[in-house]
Amino acid sequence: AQSVTQPDIHITVSEGASLELRCNYSYGATPYLFWYVQSPGQGLQLLLKYFSGDTLVQGIKGFEAEFKRSQSSFNLRKPSVHWSDAAEYFCAVGARAAGNKLTFGGGTRVLVKP
Amino acid sequence: EADIYQTPRYLVIGTGKKITLECSQTMGHDKMYWYQQDPGMELHLIHYSYGVNSTEKGDLSSESTVSRIRTEHFPLTLESARPSHTSQYLCASSESSIGAATHFGPGTRLTVT
Repeated sequence: AQSVTQPDIHITVSEGASLELRCNYSYGATPYLFWYVQSPGQGLQLLLKYFSGDTLVQGIKGFEAEFKRSQSSFNLRKPSVHWSDAAEYFCAVGARAAGNKLTFGGGTRVLVKP
Repeated sequence: EADIYQTPRYLVIGTGKKITLECSQTMGHDKMYWYQQDPGMELHLIHYSYGVNSTEKGDLSSESTVSRIRTEHFPLTLESARPSHTSQYLCASSESSIGAATHFGPGTRLTVT
């Protein structure tokens, strides 16, 4: 079975600074990896996904993520955060054998200081 | 833009009541899912469906039930609500192709008093 770990529960970053959120997964074969963002009281919005091919994936809102098979990681990055980026971020893994069902990490809450 | 809808968005109800959480999607997706999320916690899959008349239980045990009579509609029912059912319920859908992205609805926040 697949699993996802997001080691950082909270991250505080200054507006304009760079942001990196960590995600480690466990799965025996090539996973499908996703990053979602959730604003308070809202559903989840897809930021980006990795399916195959280029390991550096570009997403919406200026986010990117890099798939590193050797480290079983799929870290999310943004070069310069905006106050509107304050939210909860979830990494998720899907697998062919699981029929597109997703397994989520525990989430990382991002706080943005002015 | 196609979308996924959930009603109600917020529900406060007393113990023992029967409730149905509605979910509809306009994308024609075959696969639909219900996730449960406690405040500040991760999401857990409680039900999924791969098409009409197909329903399966997810990884997290739940006392709720679901039905899939139409492609676009995937309601979740609690026959007798209890305080332990207080949570956020997120409906989602995806295409059938491998690795397809899952699209989420806005969620229903349920409080059982």
